Amino acid sequence: QSALTQPASVSGSPGQSITISCSGSSSDIGTYNFVSWYQQHPDKAPKLLVYEVSHRPSGVPDRFSGSKSGSTASLTISGLQAEDEADYYCSSFSNTGTLVIFGGGTTLTVL
Amino acid sequence: QMQLHESGPGLVKPSETLSLACTISGASVHEYYWGWIRQAPGKRLEYIGFFFLSGTTNYNPSLRTPVTMSVDTSKNQVSLEMKSVTAADSALYYCARFRRGDYYFDVWGRGTLVTVSS
Repeated sequence: QSALTQPASVSGSPGQSITISCSGSSSDIGTYNFVSWYQQHPDKAPKLLVYEVSHRPSGVPDRFSGSKSGSTASLTISGLQAEDEADYYCSSFSNTGTLVIFGGGTTLTVL
Repeated sequence: QMQLHESGPGLVKPSETLSLACTISGASVHEYYWGWIRQAPGKRLEYIGFFFLSGTTNYNPSLRTPVTMSVDTSKNQVSLEMKSVTAADSALYYCARFRRGDYYFDVWGRGTLVTVSS
C-alpha cells in the first residue's frame, strides 16, 4: 500500500519553531486537502492536532499549524515547549483503495 | 464528553479469530462513523476500516486478514473481528470516531494490546 514519508526525527530548543514534512503523491496529498496530523505521547492514544490541512480542533493551541504545497504537507510548531516532545503522524485520504494512509511518524525532541 | 474504551482477549493463537469491542460513552453509536486503527510495535499507524450503523463499511484492502465490523446498539458498542490471525496481526488496536467526509479520526480510545502467539 502507498504510504506517506516523514523524517524519523526532528529537534529544537524551547521557544524555537520546527517544521515536520510529510511527503505524498498525486494519489493523496497532491490532489486532496484531507490531510491530518496527530500527536502521540508515549503509551498514550494519538491526539488530533490538525485536519483538512490547516484546521485545528478546539483546544489545540495555535502554536500548531498545518500547510500544504504540492504533494508535501507540513506541520509547524512554534514556541516549542517541553510538553511538545512526542511522536507526530501525518495522514491523508488516498484514492488507491486504502482510503486512509499514515506517515511513518516523526519523533520530536525538545532539547 | 465522548469516551471510547477498547477491550479484547489480549492473547490470541495463530489461525484463531480475534474479536475486539469498543464501548462508547457520551455519544450514541447511531450518530457517527467509527473506525479501527492498529499500531504494531515500532511501526506506523495502520488504517483497518470504518463502519456506520446503516451497514456502510470500508475495509483496508491491504490487510491480509479478513476483517468484519459490526455494532451492538444495546451495548453502544462497535466490534472488530479478524479471522485466521497471524503474528503479523499483533498490535495495539485503537477505535476512534471517524469523520468520513474529511477522512480523519478525532476521538480515540486508549487502545487494547493484542498478541498473536501459540
